[in-house]
Amino acid sequence: DQQVKQNSPSLSVQEGRISILNCDYTNSMFDYFLWYKKYPAEGPTFLISISSIKDKNEDGRFTVFLNKSAKHLSLHIVPSQPGDSAVYFCAANGETGANNLFFGTGTRLTVIP
Amino acid sequence: KAGVTQTPRYLIKTRGQQVTLSCSPISGHRSVSWYQQTPGQGLQFLFEYFSETQRNKGNFPGRFSGRQFSNSRSEMNVSTLELGDSALYLCASSHNRIRGGEAFFGQGTRLTVV
Repeated sequence: DQQVKQNSPSLSVQEGRISILNCDYTNSMFDYFLWYKKYPAEGPTFLISISSIKDKNEDGRFTVFLNKSAKHLSLHIVPSQPGDSAVYFCAANGETGANNLFFGTGTRLTVIP
Repeated sequence: KAGVTQTPRYLIKTRGQQVTLSCSPISGHRSVSWYQQTPGQGLQFLFEYFSETQRNKGNFPGRFSGRQFSNSRSEMNVSTLELGDSALYLCASSHNRIRGGEAFFGQGTRLTVV
């Protein structure tokens, strides 16, 4: 049973525009949500995270929004750059203190120059 | 600072065989987690080791096992390989609890079972 879902397998955006990647979850006990980026032939790299007690976290061009009532989070990238083209995974940290991350299936972002 | 190193990068095995994969975490990191990535399933948590003890376990059959050594290096073993075990196996290291912090992933081992 997939507790973290990314329903869009792919997204294409023009360079300079905003990219919005979406993620839904089912388990209300998750206390942290994370975004990872993955290039081909590399392992995922951490991008940004948000605590369940916040609704927004910003780091440079990347902002994550959390809507707990809807069990939904999104990653905004502004402005999008060709180097942002990668697969983005949404992940959630499970029971308090545990290190098992629950991942979505990923969204492939293509930024068109 | 060296990153997470996984060996080998690629493996081809036959059904029924067993395989051992290795992960060397970042120096000073004591937690090592293993994940299986398959198309359409994303990354699925296998297990986590901390200070040579299994601390968490995912929902995988007993054919999947692991261990951690005193230098924090970890191995995972898959016995009686099945075709469905073909996947990218990733390990991640961290100091201790991730919570909202980052786990550092290796490049993975691509296992193909024929």
